[in-house]
Amino acid sequence: QSALTQPASVSGSPGQSITIPCSGTSSDVGSYSHVSWYQQIPGKAPKLMIYEVNNRPSGVSDRFSGSKSGNTASLTISGLRAEDEADYYCSSWATTSTPWLFGGGTRLTVL
Amino acid sequence: EVQLVEAGGGLVQPGGSLRLSCAASGFTFSNYWMGWLRQAPGKGLEWVANIKYDGSEKYYSDSVRGRFTISRDNAKSSLFLQMDSLGGEDTAVYYCARDYSWSSDNWGQGTLVTVSS
Repeated sequence: QSALTQPASVSGSPGQSITIPCSGTSSDVGSYSHVSWYQQIPGKAPKLMIYEVNNRPSGVSDRFSGSKSGNTASLTISGLRAEDEADYYCSSWATTSTPWLFGGGTRLTVL
Repeated sequence: EVQLVEAGGGLVQPGGSLRLSCAASGFTFSNYWMGWLRQAPGKGLEWVANIKYDGSEKYYSDSVRGRFTISRDNAKSSLFLQMDSLGGEDTAVYYCARDYSWSSDNWGQGTLVTVSS
């Protein structure tokens, strides 16, 4: 069981928007802005998509956005494309004995 | 271009040891925190350890603390992970990553560690 909770799967049609929630606690997501999101194509290394809740690294499409409310962070992908089909992981700094936590991952299917 | 290349993975018996290395290039290695993360077959990502740019601070996950040791050689732009007392639960692809603003902004391609008799 992962420390941060994500849905196992989400799906959407091309052009639609989807949101992936990442639920934590007041010891992690709720207390810090240190939330990041990663995209992983099966068989490949993860790629940073969002850092510090809502910042995009250079080269990441502005169709990807992040937000946070209370103990839950979210990744929104707008204008879905077939190339967005991948696994997405959230991560947060935490005041626990393991300082970096990950969610279990969400498989995005573009219908 | 940032490049991170891991090496040292392989098959090891339970209770054995292995040392992973990561060669970094394309950035000033001594200016960045660095870390190791792993992914068991068919499972999600797990943070393992990270180390401050000068090596003065090190942090570990509960699952590896006391068994794994992270270190670095800034003169050689290299990161290391010494893994002892390995068990089946340590079987995974191990990634080297550069830390940036409380995230991992660049990752290596990974090296597979298999613990089995």
